[in-house]
Amino acid sequence: EVHLLESGGALVQPGGSLRLSCAASGFTLSSFDMNWVRQVPGKGLEWVSHITSGDGKTFYTDSVKGRFTISRDIATNSLYLQMNSLRAEDTAIYFCAKDKGIDGWSFDCWGQGTLVTVSS
Amino acid sequence: DIVMTQSPLSLPVTPGEPASISCRSTQSLLNSDGYNYLDWYLQKPGQSPHLLIYLASNRASGVPDRFSGSGSGTDFTLRISRVEAEDVGVYYCMQSLTSPVTFGGGTKVEIK
Repeated sequence: EVHLLESGGALVQPGGSLRLSCAASGFTLSSFDMNWVRQVPGKGLEWVSHITSGDGKTFYTDSVKGRFTISRDIATNSLYLQMNSLRAEDTAIYFCAKDKGIDGWSFDCWGQGTLVTVSS
Repeated sequence: DIVMTQSPLSLPVTPGEPASISCRSTQSLLNSDGYNYLDWYLQKPGQSPHLLIYLASNRASGVPDRFSGSGSGTDFTLRISRVEAEDVGVYYCMQSLTSPVTFGGGTKVEIK
């Protein structure tokens, strides 16, 4: 069974850093495009970042470019999101999501999410 | 960026009755490969979102056939032929034709 489990969310001060992890099971993570999507509690969904299978090309929403880095580790079958220079507006639940592997980016498996709170 | 607009924002429904949600994009989502890069997701209360419809009209694995997606270009519709109590939650459309991927604001479906 395909499963994603995020971890690493925490309370962090503005300007601080955090690394989120997403452990995959039931499939080989590097064989699929992967994503991070965030959601302010009670609000809508916002795509954050994408990494392609194979060559590992990365994409980011403008508000996190230069501050966040998506990566993956084949040995641990895990996805990561390194978040630096955190701001209050980065406060959200962060979901990792697996791409279906067809035309376009369709997210066919989501983790349960991990909460990041940026506050002094 | 492509802006996705859903309507209505809230949809009270009666079990057994049909329901539909509209999603419009500021640019055509029809790719040169002939597919519309438009998905529908449902986020049930207290849960993560899950995929319902991909490429505008294809039901994801395990999705009941009472759900259907239609549309092309900039106008799309999600239909539920007969609403069941378990269908409550927030429905989102999402485009992936161009980066950044963008979501609609969501439509909250609740039972009357």
